[in-house]
Amino acid sequence: DTAVSQTPKYLVTQMGNDKSIKCEQNLGHDTMYWYKQDSKKFLKIMFSYNNKELIINETVPNRFSPKSPDKAHLNLHINSLELGDSAVYFCASSQEWSSPQHFGDGTRLSIL
Amino acid sequence: TQLLEQSPQFLSIQEGENLTVYCNSSSVFSSLQWYRQEPGEGPVLLVTVVTGGEVKKLKRLTFQFGDARKDSSLHITAAQPGDTGLYLCAGQTGSARQLTFGSGTQLTVLP
Repeated sequence: DTAVSQTPKYLVTQMGNDKSIKCEQNLGHDTMYWYKQDSKKFLKIMFSYNNKELIINETVPNRFSPKSPDKAHLNLHINSLELGDSAVYFCASSQEWSSPQHFGDGTRLSIL
Repeated sequence: TQLLEQSPQFLSIQEGENLTVYCNSSSVFSSLQWYRQEPGEGPVLLVTVVTGGEVKKLKRLTFQFGDARKDSSLHITAAQPGDTGLYLCAGQTGSARQLTFGSGTQLTVLP
């Protein structure tokens, strides 16, 4: 059973399009995250979220928005995709802010 | 400037050799975690260290947290090809609601 699952695994689209990446965790965790991993493998936090608080990394463009229909899901919506958005996006979850994080297998986004 | 600097950035060694990977910062961390990431997968937690000077062992892997909680090291004894991967340290400062990841060390162990 996959603990943190992301879909799709690969996403190829054209510049200017809007796309969403879905994330679900079955661990019963209260906190979920989105990370961006660039070509140099640097993993950068984008959003941290639980049912009470959303923390947005100040460097994330407002074209990116997290949407959480319930505690087990945190989807990432991206408007007006740009070439620089190409990266691998990881969803993660943890029981609380300081707890170890469980990651999904990533979504490789390629912008043409 | 990265909050957490890892060194070396790349490391290629022969099976059976020993190695040490470093994670350094000028900031004090309340806890520090080590992850390993394999191609096409997400990072997987190896260990969490909390107390300054703490040493934890996981089979052939030894993790140490610096006395001042500003740095950490990962030592692998008798490396095996299965140890190949990207090693990431990640720390939490104070009451921060998120982890900061290091720049990573890509380890390749050749058979």
